[in-house]
Amino acid sequence: EDQVTQSPEALRLQEGESSSLNCSYTVSGLRGLFWYRQDPGKGPEFLFTLYSAGEEKEKERLKATLTKKESFLHITAPKPEDSATYLCAVRYAGGTSYGKLTFGQGTILTVHP
Amino acid sequence: ETGVTQTPRHLVMGMTNKKSLKCEQHLGHNAMYWYKQSAKKPLELMFVYNFKEQTENNSVPSRFSPECPNSSHLFLHLHTLQPEDSALYLCASSQGGPLGELFFGEGSRLTVL
Repeated sequence: EDQVTQSPEALRLQEGESSSLNCSYTVSGLRGLFWYRQDPGKGPEFLFTLYSAGEEKEKERLKATLTKKESFLHITAPKPEDSATYLCAVRYAGGTSYGKLTFGQGTILTVHP
Repeated sequence: ETGVTQTPRHLVMGMTNKKSLKCEQHLGHNAMYWYKQSAKKPLELMFVYNFKEQTENNSVPSRFSPECPNSSHLFLHLHTLQPEDSALYLCASSQGGPLGELFFGEGSRLTVL
């Protein structure tokens, strides 16, 4: 069964304490892996797209990496404003000609000052 | 206005009411989507439209009826809903058809009494 699993479900960090979020997937024919950030009461905000193993993308304190089975979202020296739910989504072959897009359940990140 | 705009932001309706959710995107994208977000569950795709044509219906009950009059507007007509339909309904759009990254609106919080 095709699956997208994010871990941990929740993560509490002190300001400045670097860590990583994980998104593992068991799908065939990966067409793209997406990271989103969602603040309470708002829609998800696009962060990154990764297409192939070994690819990396960076934005401010965030860095996303991709292997053949998982992606990591590394957060370096986080600040309280980085607190949000981080969602991973995987597009893969299947369904329509555009493939299928499946979201993980998300990781709730809380950064304490 | 910029981005993806959803109205209303909050909606409370009885099980026998008929209401509609509206979405408008100002990004010049050609694909639009409805997603359902329930507590503790991953985002669920409901419908996909590409150039006004419905390309995907993810086995959604007929009490949800989408309408896409043009590439910038998307509606979700609601009738005879159940309490378990209470959720955050998110509209999204993407460039380059359903392969591109999604840009979400802020959502319509629906409560069915």
